[in-house]
Amino acid sequence: AQTVTQSQPEMSVQEAETVTLSCTYDTSESNYYLFWYKQPPSRQMILVIRQEAYKQQNATENRFSVNFQKAAKSFSLKISDSQLGDTAMYFCAFSLTGANNLFFGTGTRLTVIP
Amino acid sequence: EAQVTQNPRYLITVTGKKLTVTCSQNMNHEYMSWYRQDPGLGLRQIYYSMNVEVTDKGDVPEGYKVSRKEKRNFPLILESPSPNQTSLYFCASSLGQGRVGAGYTFGSGTRLTVV
Repeated sequence: AQTVTQSQPEMSVQEAETVTLSCTYDTSESNYYLFWYKQPPSRQMILVIRQEAYKQQNATENRFSVNFQKAAKSFSLKISDSQLGDTAMYFCAFSLTGANNLFFGTGTRLTVIP
Repeated sequence: EAQVTQNPRYLITVTGKKLTVTCSQNMNHEYMSWYRQDPGLGLRQIYYSMNVEVTDKGDVPEGYKVSRKEKRNFPLILESPSPNQTSLYFCASSLGQGRVGAGYTFGSGTRLTVV
């Protein structure tokens, strides 16, 4: 079974600073996808960034980047220059390549402090 | 606009009164899924559907039913709701056929309270 663990239930960061959210996963497979979703107070689930396991290069989307460590089964999200609009719940998610189901972690609530 | 439409957004009901949460997508996606979100537990899958007339249980299917008679619609049915089904529910869709790389498109969520 695939499991996703987010060990930080809550985090806070000062505006304009950098914060890193942790995620680890467990799988015996070698081909899979990893995702970070953002859920602001509006409840909408927004895809922030994704990573394909076969790619060694870490994915980057503007201020959002990941540190993908395949051997350690770690997939952390770094948010640079934090903005008030980054305040949200962040979910790490996993899916096997060729599968359809997405498995989620328990989430990290991030608060950006002005 | 490509989207997943979920209704209602909020619902308060009483124990035992049957209810249906509707979900519709306009992207011709084959795969659709229902999740519930609870504090400290993240999103857990209730049921999913690979295509019309093809449905299967997720991790927490007890107390729920689904149907997929048309490709675009995937309603969630609670035949006899109980207070432990109070939760935030999400419908999601994706291309299917193992093409999950693009991620899911989510509905806007339904906050259900069972009293």
